[in-house]
Amino acid sequence: SQTIHQWPATLVQPVGSPLSLECTVEGTSNPNLYWYRQAAGRGLQLLFYSVGIGQISSEVPQNLSASRPQDRQFILSSKKLLLSDSGFYLCAWNSPGAGGSTSYNEQFFGPGTRLTVL
Amino acid sequence: KNEVEQSPQNLTAQEGEFITINCSYSVGISALHWLQQHPGGGIVSLFMLSSGKKKHGRLIATINIQEKHSSLHITASHPRDSAVYICAARGGATNKLIFGTGTLLAVQP
Repeated sequence: SQTIHQWPATLVQPVGSPLSLECTVEGTSNPNLYWYRQAAGRGLQLLFYSVGIGQISSEVPQNLSASRPQDRQFILSSKKLLLSDSGFYLCAWNSPGAGGSTSYNEQFFGPGTRLTVL
Repeated sequence: KNEVEQSPQNLTAQEGEFITINCSYSVGISALHWLQQHPGGGIVSLFMLSSGKKKHGRLIATINIQEKHSSLHITASHPRDSAVYICAARGGATNKLIFGTGTLLAVQP
């Protein structure tokens, strides 16, 4: 069966510090991978998605970047955190659709990382 | 105006009540998802549907493509159903998931 892991579960960081959040998926190959952010009182917002190693698409301009160094590993980073980066970060995966596109298939979410920037 | 809107934003029910959460969207969609987010933050996918109706246990999801509307129903509600229920539509210009802001459901014993 497939599982998705995220760490750390919670993180408190000062403004201006770097960030690295990790997401790994087990039990599947070549998944589509997604990073979402849920700010307080707001809906989920798609930040990045990846259809393969080294392939990253950014949905919104921001202070964050993403990388996919391995097939089932997705990393969210920042060189200098801002207060507005606080939120709940969720990683998700689904099976690729025809042609390897971000597909219509159901997405499965990780447990999330709660980031507080002070 | 958000492309995906849910109502109500907050809902309190007594155990055993029949619950309905509504979702309206303004974009053309290929699929609509219902998700459940527990107090700890973890998200579980409940349904993905593009037409008609789906049922899983006490949960029922319906969608009316013409009216751009979907509903999530919970029969015989239980306190363990307390969670945030999120509607997400796949569609629009980017064909990505567009999320509603969620409905906070509290079921009291």
